[in-house]
Amino acid sequence: SQKIEQNSEALNIQEGKTATLTCNYTNYSPAYLQWYRQDPGRGPVFLLLIRENEKEKRKERLKVTFDTTLKQSLFHITASQPADSATYLCALGGSYIPTFGRGTSLIVHP
Amino acid sequence: GAVVSQHPSWVICKSGTSVKIECRSLDFQATTMFWYRQFPKQSLMLMATSNEGSKATYEQGVEKDKFLINHASLTLSTLTVTSAHPEDSSFYICSAKKGGTNDINEQFFGPGTRLTVL
Repeated sequence: SQKIEQNSEALNIQEGKTATLTCNYTNYSPAYLQWYRQDPGRGPVFLLLIRENEKEKRKERLKVTFDTTLKQSLFHITASQPADSATYLCALGGSYIPTFGRGTSLIVHP
Repeated sequence: GAVVSQHPSWVICKSGTSVKIECRSLDFQATTMFWYRQFPKQSLMLMATSNEGSKATYEQGVEKDKFLINHASLTLSTLTVTSAHPEDSSFYICSAKKGGTNDINEQFFGPGTRLTVL
């Protein structure tokens, strides 16, 4: 069956460190992958999109990698700040409507 | 930017009543809108895809007679939860895309509506 796996346990890190979140998938062949940020009680906010033929994408302190062989995307936030604390969702897309993972909660401690 | 609003942001209703939730794209025309529901610590579950001027496409297991969707214009879609029951209590989120359903465009999400059915 198709699965999108994001670590259900919260990631706790210290301010200034790099946060790395993982999105693994099985039985999908996505044409692209997206990362969203969701704050409690709010709708998701789009952050980055990476296509299947791209290995890496950057935007300011954010970096996303996409390994279609490993069926994995890594989402990095460098120089993390307490304001980065939120839930981060990955979504797979292609010839179908994007499907979301459960998200991983990131907590950045001052 | 592209802004999507939802109204109301929260609603409490009695069991058996109907509730309408509005989703508006404020500064762009949305050919396609999506409706999701999200339970605590769960992923967004797609309920239906709505294209302006045509009937919504519902995901498997979603009752179309219970969750009525109307996409009357390029900037407005409504979700009506009919005869709501406590198990319908959830966080309902809409999103809008500028392109077609399968275009690689980002989705712009609304802030969500918290529905509580007593």
